[in-house]
Amino acid sequence: DVKVTQSSRYLVKRTGEKVFLECVQDMDHENMFWYRQDPGLGLRLIYFSYDVKMKEKGDIPEGYSVSREKKERFSLILESASTNQTSMYLCASSSAGGGNTGELFFGEGSRLTVL
Amino acid sequence: DQQVKQNSPSLSVQEGRISILNCDYTNSMFDYFLWYKKYPAEGPTFLISISSIKDKNEDGRFTVFLNKSAKHLSLHIVPSQPGDSAVYFCAAWRSSGDKLTFGTGTRLAVRP
Repeated sequence: DVKVTQSSRYLVKRTGEKVFLECVQDMDHENMFWYRQDPGLGLRLIYFSYDVKMKEKGDIPEGYSVSREKKERFSLILESASTNQTSMYLCASSSAGGGNTGELFFGEGSRLTVL
Repeated sequence: DQQVKQNSPSLSVQEGRISILNCDYTNSMFDYFLWYKKYPAEGPTFLISISSIKDKNEDGRFTVFLNKSAKHLSLHIVPSQPGDSAVYFCAAWRSSGDKLTFGTGTRLAVRP
């Protein structure tokens, strides 16, 4: 069974702390994505990556960075957490190339609370 | 610029009846449209998709209709079941961009 695994389901952090959210996929997908979900705002793309060492800004990259050192792993980093980064964070992956219909495979999400 | 819009934040339907969730888009270059379902504290799961060259796709109780001239798509669930209660996201994809653009979601409640 294919899977996207996010390391932490629930985190509570303090303002100013550095936060790492880890994501691993076992489908050998080229593309990986980080979204955040907030009520009334839907899913908003933070960063994505088409290949190892590559990263692209999404719609709301401010306050975040990412790292993709291995194909299967994509990390989201909050350098200095703030209360407005309290959210549900969702990692996803997809295959690239011909025949792709855009389908994303999501992890179960990481609920981050910043106090 | 909201390229994919779901104008109804919520919908309540009686069990056994039809649920119709709507989605509008602005970019005529999208190649595929997808619907995702999301339960609380879980990641979204893929439900059904439709190519921009089709006008209907059916999978069991779920049917998606696409009206390209109106830039509108809808998801029909017949018959609705209490287990269908979730947030439904419409999404659109361009093959040149390789990333999905999501709507803001519609919360469906199916009453027993």
